[in-house]
Amino acid sequence: SQQGEEDPQALSIQEGENATMNCSYKTSINNLQWYRQNSGRGLVHLILIRSNEREKHSGRLRVTLDTSKKSSSLLITASRAADTASYFCATDATRAGNTPLVFGKGTRLSVIA
Amino acid sequence: EAQVTQNPRYLITVTGKKLTVTCSQNMNHEYMSWYRQDPGLGLRQIYYSMNVEVTDKGDVPEGYKVSRKEKRNFPLILESPSPNQTSLYFCASSLSFWLAGSGEQFFGPGTRLTVL
Repeated sequence: SQQGEEDPQALSIQEGENATMNCSYKTSINNLQWYRQNSGRGLVHLILIRSNEREKHSGRLRVTLDTSKKSSSLLITASRAADTASYFCATDATRAGNTPLVFGKGTRLSVIA
Repeated sequence: EAQVTQNPRYLITVTGKKLTVTCSQNMNHEYMSWYRQDPGLGLRQIYYSMNVEVTDKGDVPEGYKVSRKEKRNFPLILESPSPNQTSLYFCASSLSFWLAGSGEQFFGPGTRLTVL
């Protein structure tokens, strides 16, 4: 399985601090994506980084990708209570079969005001 | 507004009572799929459809059926639900299978199903 694995499983920080979540995967990829899920709601696409990119920014989000280590990290700077959610990495599996995305198990982030 | 809708959002039922969860998208997407989400297991794909009348099994298809008679609708059918199908279900759609892998997959709001 190419499933990504997020680390840590849960993270609790104070508002204003930075939050870092990591994702590791097993096989080569075309791209890696991060999704956000508010409790019991649908997933929302946050950012995509392609295999030939090393770093990407979007607002307070910074994603890095190290294909040699098969890992990615998501950094949320200056966190807010509204950032409380679960965050999932997903790898592009379109070459491998019928599932376009393989999701990790997620990191649950709690930002305390 | 472009969206994926699911109904019902919440459902409590009993073992063996057939049910259908509807999914509809208004974006003229070809690719649609169903996922289930369980604690500690992440999202797992149940069934997918590349286009009208074209459906296939995902990673966890047992106990489920789907149909794709129209482009916009992709209902998930549980002929004889069992307690191990208690889960949070998501429908998703994309213009194509390939674009789904490139970040352009839209998710519905989810259906929380409890089978007693």
